[in-house]
Amino acid sequence: QSALTQPPSASGSPGQSVTISCSGSSSDVGAYNYVSWFQHHPGRAPKLIIYEVTKRPSGVPDRFSASKSGNTASLTVSGLQAEDEADYYCSSYAGSSRRLFGTGTKVTVL
Amino acid sequence: EVQLVESGGGLIQPGGSLRLSCGVSGFKFSLYWMNWARQAPGEGLEWVASIKQDGSETYYVDSVKGRFTISRDNARDSLFLQMDSLSVDDTAVYYCARGGGLDVWGQGTTVIVSS
Repeated sequence: QSALTQPPSASGSPGQSVTISCSGSSSDVGAYNYVSWFQHHPGRAPKLIIYEVTKRPSGVPDRFSASKSGNTASLTVSGLQAEDEADYYCSSYAGSSRRLFGTGTKVTVL
Repeated sequence: EVQLVESGGGLIQPGGSLRLSCGVSGFKFSLYWMNWARQAPGEGLEWVASIKQDGSETYYVDSVKGRFTISRDNARDSLFLQMDSLSVDDTAVYYCARGGGLDVWGQGTTVIVSS
């Protein structure tokens, strides 16, 4: 049950875009269209921002978009804003009612 | 408003036991799978356990199997995590989260396992 692999950090200036990758395997990311992304400001509750690979929950700005190709999923944050500075985690269903999280990416707004 | 509030965390010695609770409001608890997840200091999120709506199915990450037990009381809108044989590696903030998609999370409760 290894974690999905994400880059430890990403950064961009306000208004720019950042893309975060999430690398899994044919047993998790590649096998199911149940990839989610979470935004986590330390000390606060994690927030779901993407589910089922590309879908945004109500209230999540369309600056957040995501995709999947093979065993790798990606999250793009466009038009970076100061409030987007946070930790981001991908997650995938991994069969047998198990869920894997990614290693996490700290996004810094320069 | 949908809310999940964890409680029961604290400082416990290795080998000890602790029972976490998660009280919910704002939605029909009995209709949802529920989960526990955790975040160890300086680490990422980790899914810990899940339980079906009626409690008939439970699933665990390998590292807690045989030591942790997830349960629920639909009449009291409450989720529980019984943690036994705790080790220092179980030190973390523990979160409860709603549904198969983990679409709503609580603020977490801190568990510190230390002698």
